[in-house]
Amino acid sequence: GAVVSQHPSRVICKSGTSVKIECRSLDFQATTMFWYRQFPKQSLMLMATSNEGSKATYEQGVEKDKFLINHASLTLSTLTVTSAHPEDSSFYICSARDQNTEAFFGQGTRLTVV
Amino acid sequence: KQEVTQIPAALSVPEGENLVLNCSFTDSAIYNLQWFRQDPGKGLTSLLLIQSSQREQTSGRLNASLDKSSGRSTLYIAASQPGDSATYLCAVRRNSGNTPLVFGKGTRLSVIA
Repeated sequence: GAVVSQHPSRVICKSGTSVKIECRSLDFQATTMFWYRQFPKQSLMLMATSNEGSKATYEQGVEKDKFLINHASLTLSTLTVTSAHPEDSSFYICSARDQNTEAFFGQGTRLTVV
Repeated sequence: KQEVTQIPAALSVPEGENLVLNCSFTDSAIYNLQWFRQDPGKGLTSLLLIQSSQREQTSGRLNASLDKSSGRSTLYIAASQPGDSATYLCAVRRNSGNTPLVFGKGTRLSVIA
């Protein structure tokens, strides 16, 4: 299957700082990428849909100014958690697919804000 | 709004047993359904994808069925092994456009040697 690379896999940051997470489709062009958040023992909750060259579409309750998404190319989307707080600590996972393929997921990023 | 439910939430079986994981969804108008495996602290690995027109898909010891009209899918694992221990997630996609997957909460499987 297609490969989606997510980096970093783990990050610890101080409250008030910003963290950038990268999601790359390595062997296909991803016109659409999705960002999910997962709390312990919970399911994946969609945060936003990212389309190449346009603004991301955020789910209700997700602050777009806090979770900045950039999808500047067909192989890269980034999620920046701005002014991070301890409650932002979570597991973030990206997903990429071409219009006609199944969804493939990155390895996830464990964010811990101290 | 689509809701996906997985039963049971957790399951523990001895090695070698066959087992069935259940997934149900409230809106039967789906494009496809995917089963994933997630190991602790890791991303998702796609196991099987069933298009809405299909009834089942098989890969090795895994078999997934889909009854779209009743909003149900099952994942059958034959001859379970300790390496099968993981959380299994079911997800549905509404249409072929830029629609995300809607996930269930998963079934946490433990296979005891």
